[in-house]
Amino acid sequence: QQQVKQSPQSLIVQKGGIPIINCAYENTAFDYFPWYQQFPGKGPALLIAIRPDVSEKKEGRFTISFNKSAKQFSLHIMDSQPGDSATYFCAASRASNTGKLIFGQGTTLQVKP
Amino acid sequence: EADIYQTPRYLVIGTGKKITLECSQTMGHDKMYWYQQDPGMELHLIHYSYGVNSTEKGDLSSESTVSRIRTEHFPLTLESARPSHTSQYLCASGYAYNSPLHFGNGTRLTVT
Repeated sequence: QQQVKQSPQSLIVQKGGIPIINCAYENTAFDYFPWYQQFPGKGPALLIAIRPDVSEKKEGRFTISFNKSAKQFSLHIMDSQPGDSATYFCAASRASNTGKLIFGQGTTLQVKP
Repeated sequence: EADIYQTPRYLVIGTGKKITLECSQTMGHDKMYWYQQDPGMELHLIHYSYGVNSTEKGDLSSESTVSRIRTEHFPLTLESARPSHTSQYLCASGYAYNSPLHFGNGTRLTVT
């Protein structure tokens, strides 16, 4: 059972483009939605996160849009740079003692110079 | 600078060997996790712990076992490695469900 579905699997854009990565979730109890960025040979690192009481959050060139009724959220990267080339994972979790994160399948982004 | 450390970084071993993957964190986090990740693919939770002497199996069935005797240390053991265990294993720690999860750089395991 895939609780968080992510698309597309891979994405290629030109420098300056705005790649968009989408995620959909099933469990309405989820109340924390982070995005992680992973470079080759490294572990994932938190990029930006949002809670469902907010429809949009921006941090630098990265924006999360959240649609609670549709159970969907997306990551937009403004003015993308070759250094943004990485694998991006959306995730979801809910208030509990364990703090488990459920990850999406990942999107490999390539930004061409 | 990584505050969570995994060793070894790479490991190639033969079938049937017993191995232990080490994971240590210096942040005092109660919650620690092991994820399995095949190249370019999603992360699957195989074990987690929310404190000393507490361990639970994750969503993906795994033949590995874990222990949590000290807050900072969360090793993963495979009693008898098989080629199907070939994968990358990522350790992580965090304060709470809505706080950043800190990942190590992983152990890439190859079983021949």
